[in-house]
Amino acid sequence: QKEVEQDPGPLSVPEGAIVSLNCTYSNSAFQYFMWYRQYSRKGPELLMYTYSSGNKEDGRFTAQVDKSSKYISLFIRDSQPSDSATYLCAMSGQAGTALIFGKGTTLSVSS
Amino acid sequence: GAVVSQHPSRVICKSGTSVKIECRSLDFQATTMFWYRQFPKQSLMLMATSNEGSKATYEQGVEKDKFLINHASLTLSTLTVTSAHPEDSSFYICSAEGRYQETQYFGPGTRLLVL
Repeated sequence: QKEVEQDPGPLSVPEGAIVSLNCTYSNSAFQYFMWYRQYSRKGPELLMYTYSSGNKEDGRFTAQVDKSSKYISLFIRDSQPSDSATYLCAMSGQAGTALIFGKGTTLSVSS
Repeated sequence: GAVVSQHPSRVICKSGTSVKIECRSLDFQATTMFWYRQFPKQSLMLMATSNEGSKATYEQGVEKDKFLINHASLTLSTLTVTSAHPEDSSFYICSAEGRYQETQYFGPGTRLLVL
């Protein structure tokens, strides 16, 4: 079993839809959870960062962490064509250590 | 948010030559920098971790004599691909984390093509 599992998609939705992206993990020591967005041929851009369990909201984006289930989610409300990208979940056990990435989910939002 | 730059953004070189890629943290001091490579439609693979002023720690399977990493200051790390070959063609991305940060910020990446 890989440390971080993420469905690669692709996921296609119409503009305005609510998008749910998910990752599961096996290492209970993970404490820091991130979501990055990566456009084609660009570096990853940090979207959301959560420490330990709980929810975090930033505009149209909501990140959820359920440590008991080892499951994290990213919700995108009112999705826009500009949200079309690959979304990578990442996590680590300590600050200053390497991130463990999921494979990324490719999202396409059509207008 | 914190800004990390990379230079060059794209490089094409002949097989056997060496290529240097720079990674800079523009508005914070990066105590730790990470180098990743990414093949098409795949996730990021960690190559090495470097702390300012000390030797880099390489991941298993990454040749330290081929991928030379220098983290000489708190704002600059370099990756030199020595004697590059076509199989080294990839997208190389650095990230940086500061002393008071709990996550990493990524550079825009460098696309290397070895002919």
